[in-house]
Parts: sequence; C-alpha cells; structure tokens
Amino acid sequence: AQKVTQAQTEISVVEKEDVTLDCVYETRDTTYYLFWYKQPPSGELVFLIRRNSFDEQNEISGRYSWNFQKSTSSFNFTITASQVVDSAVYFCALILYGGATNKLIFGTGTLLAVQP
Amino acid sequence: NAGVTQTPKFQVLKTGQSMTLQCAQDMNHNSMYWYRQDPGMGLRLIYYSASEGTTDKGEVPNGYNVSRLNKREFSLRLESAAPSQTSVYFCASRTLTSGSSGANVLTFGAGSRLTVL
Repeated sequence: AQKVTQAQTEISVVEKEDVTLDCVYETRDTTYYLFWYKQPPSGELVFLIRRNSFDEQNEISGRYSWNFQKSTSSFNFTITASQVVDSAVYFCALILYGGATNKLIFGTGTLLAVQP
Repeated sequence: NAGVTQTPKFQVLKTGQSMTLQCAQDMNHNSMYWYRQDPGMGLRLIYYSASEGTTDKGEVPNGYNVSRLNKREFSLRLESAAPSQTSVYFCASRTLTSGSSGANVLTFGAGSRLTVL
C-alpha cells in the first residue's frame, strides 16, 4: 500500500523567510508520480508540480523549488523569500504509474502561515 | 474551458435526508474521482471511476453511492445523510494520455461544502 506523510501540520514564518515543507512517501513500486498541490484560503486545489520516479532532477520555478530524493523517499518543497500570498495548505500526493485504476493518495497537508 | 464543475457549492441537510452532488468535466478525461476533506485528515478518496461504465470504492465509501452517467458526469449520492458526512467534497478528473503534459494530473472542482445537522 502507498502512504504519504507530511509530518509538519502547521508552519508559521515571517515574510521573506525561506521555508521547506517536508514530504515522505512509501511505496513498493518503482514507477510512480509525486505531486504538490496548494489550497489557498479560498478553498480550491491548485496543481503545482508533477514529478515522475525516473526523474530525480531538482526543479525550480521562480521562488519555488522541489528536492526529490529516492534514497530517502522524500519530495520536499521550498519556498524562497516567502510572501503573505503563499499562506495556504500544501498537500503532497502520490500515484502509481499507469493504470486507470490507480488512485492519488494524499498526505494530510501542511498549513503554512506567512506573517507580514 | 470550465474544467471540473461541481454543484451545489453549499448545502445544509438534516439527518436522514438524501442529496446528490453533481460533477461534470469538459476535458475529455477518462477517470473521475470523489474525495472528501476533513480537518487534519487530508483528502480521502470516496469512490472513483477509472473509465466510463466502471466505478470502484475508495478509502471511505460507506454511506455513499456514485453514478458515472457518461464520460463527462460523475455524481455522488448520500442516501441518508449523517452528521459524520459533514465535510467538503471535491470532484476531480484526470487523463492517462501519454505524452500529455497534463497526464496523470488530477484537476479538481471548486468543492462542495456539506453540513448535516
């Protein structure tokens, strides 16, 4: 069975601080996708990134960066120079590769509060 | 492009009442999903439909039924609502089409907030 753990339930930072959100996953399969979604206070779920298990390259998109390490089964998300608009709940998720019956499994989310 | 549309956005029910949450997607996706979100629990899968004509139970199916009416629509029904079903419900869809930059990315509706008194 697959599992995604986000041990940090809440993080509070002051604007312009860097913050890292941790995600640890469990699966016996070797092919899978990992995701991060953002849920702002308005409630919608916004897709941020998809990473497949074959690609361990880190990715940077503006102030966002992702560190994928298969050796530690982690897919951590860093926000550099945080802003108040980054305040949201962030979810990490996992789905096995291929197969229409595969299901997206979510972590319990990390609430990030960025104080001005 | 509307993406995934859920109705209603808000609903208050009394215990024992029934209702159906509607979901429609216009992205020609094969797979559709219903999740519920509760504080501290993340998103838990209720039911899903891998393709038109098929439905399967997820993690928390008790008290719910679903219908995949056609490729576009996937409804969730509460036959006899209970206070434990007070939650925010999300519908989502995805495509498996290889080569697509959106392959395997779940697109979510805006959510339906249900309160059962």
